Amino acid sequence: EADIYQTPRYLVIGTGKKITLECSQTMGHDKMYWYQQDPGMELHLIHYSYGVNSTEKGDLSSESTVSRIRTEHFPLTLESARPSHTSQYLCASSDPVKSSYNEQFFGPGTRLTVL
Amino acid sequence: GQSLEQPSEVTAVEGAIVQINCTYQTSGFYGLSWYQQHDGGAPTFLSYNALDGLEETGRFSSFLSRSDSYGYLLLQELQMKDSASYFCAVRDAGDTGRRALTFGSGTRLQVQP
Repeated sequence: EADIYQTPRYLVIGTGKKITLECSQTMGHDKMYWYQQDPGMELHLIHYSYGVNSTEKGDLSSESTVSRIRTEHFPLTLESARPSHTSQYLCASSDPVKSSYNEQFFGPGTRLTVL
Repeated sequence: GQSLEQPSEVTAVEGAIVQINCTYQTSGFYGLSWYQQHDGGAPTFLSYNALDGLEETGRFSSFLSRSDSYGYLLLQELQMKDSASYFCAVRDAGDTGRRALTFGSGTRLQVQP
């Protein structure tokens, strides 16, 4: 069973605020990902990590940053939130050794609204 | 880069069979995956095809033809709980060195009584 957690689940915040979305997994997976998804739309990769101290930008320029200091933790930070950041943010992990890059386990998501 | 095409919506009745198609363009190929996502929920992994042919998992099957850059997800004995969005995804290839998934835009399946 997938054990990947995201907090908060819902967040309403004003423009210009700095926020951090938390993601943790207890499966020991090296690979972790952040996606942005608007309702009914496709998932866009915004950041990914192959392991500790490894982070890369994805396709979408979301003006966010990530860090990977511990295997289990992959937080996403928005330095200055804007209404265009309103979306759902999904964290995922995978273990190419046990399964493959193709099988990703997703957290429940954080639904962010920026006023 | 990678791109995937799938129908935006499909409607079927309970008990029926439905096929959701996916065509893809990639600079390299490392398999086609399928994910299910209920409204308000997170995507969950359904299946993965690396080689041509049919993979069966209970009521769900997935097919791949690498020569046609085409795959499909087959759902049999449809149930109301199968109403969800279904995404196909391919793994990025070697030109970027990136080992992440690119998702299609999703197919919304509506199962009617």
